[in-house]
Amino acid sequence: RKEVEQDPGPFNVPEGATVAFNCTYSNSASQSFFWYRQDCRKEPKLLMSVYSSGNEDGRFTAQLNRASQYISLLIRDSKLSDSATYLCVAMGEYNFNKFYFGSGTKLNVKP
Amino acid sequence: GAVVSQHPSWVICKSGTSVKIECRSLDFQATTMFWYRQFPKQSLMLMATSNEGSKATYEQGVEKDKFLINHASLTLSTLTVTSAHPEDSSFYICSAARPGTRTDTQYFGPGTRLTVL
Repeated sequence: RKEVEQDPGPFNVPEGATVAFNCTYSNSASQSFFWYRQDCRKEPKLLMSVYSSGNEDGRFTAQLNRASQYISLLIRDSKLSDSATYLCVAMGEYNFNKFYFGSGTKLNVKP
Repeated sequence: GAVVSQHPSWVICKSGTSVKIECRSLDFQATTMFWYRQFPKQSLMLMATSNEGSKATYEQGVEKDKFLINHASLTLSTLTVTSAHPEDSSFYICSAARPGTRTDTQYFGPGTRLTVL
């Protein structure tokens, strides 16, 4: 079983739409969670960390549900520039920095 | 901000040759670096954790004799793909953990695209 699982998509949405992605993780001992964005043939870039209390950064909101072991990302008012692959990441054992990436969810925002 | 570089950015080699990829942290010293591999339309898979001055820790299923990692200084880790074969063609990405920050802060290099003919 994969450590982190995501719906690969693609999610095709019009500009201005709200879109949500979920991912699930298998290791209940995972300590930290992140959403990364990866553009085609580029390295992943940190979008936001995910905290138990949930966090918001502009149009982006991330939530963590430890009981159900899933993480979500909500994007409001989608822009064309949001088109990318969104990677869910769970960090392994505490103090060891090991990242486990999901396979990514592709988002296409269309005019 | 923190910058991690990789060299080369892409490489094409013949089957059976060895290829060395460098990962450098440019403005901080990284005691720990990580090597990932990403096949097309797949996730980044952690290959190994590189620790300065000690042996690398490899993930299950990654051959340590095929993927040689050397972390000889606090700013440089190298990954050598020995006797490369076409199935080793992939996107190799390194990351560096910045000391003094949260243990979960990693900075990614731009990646190296390896094509083995």
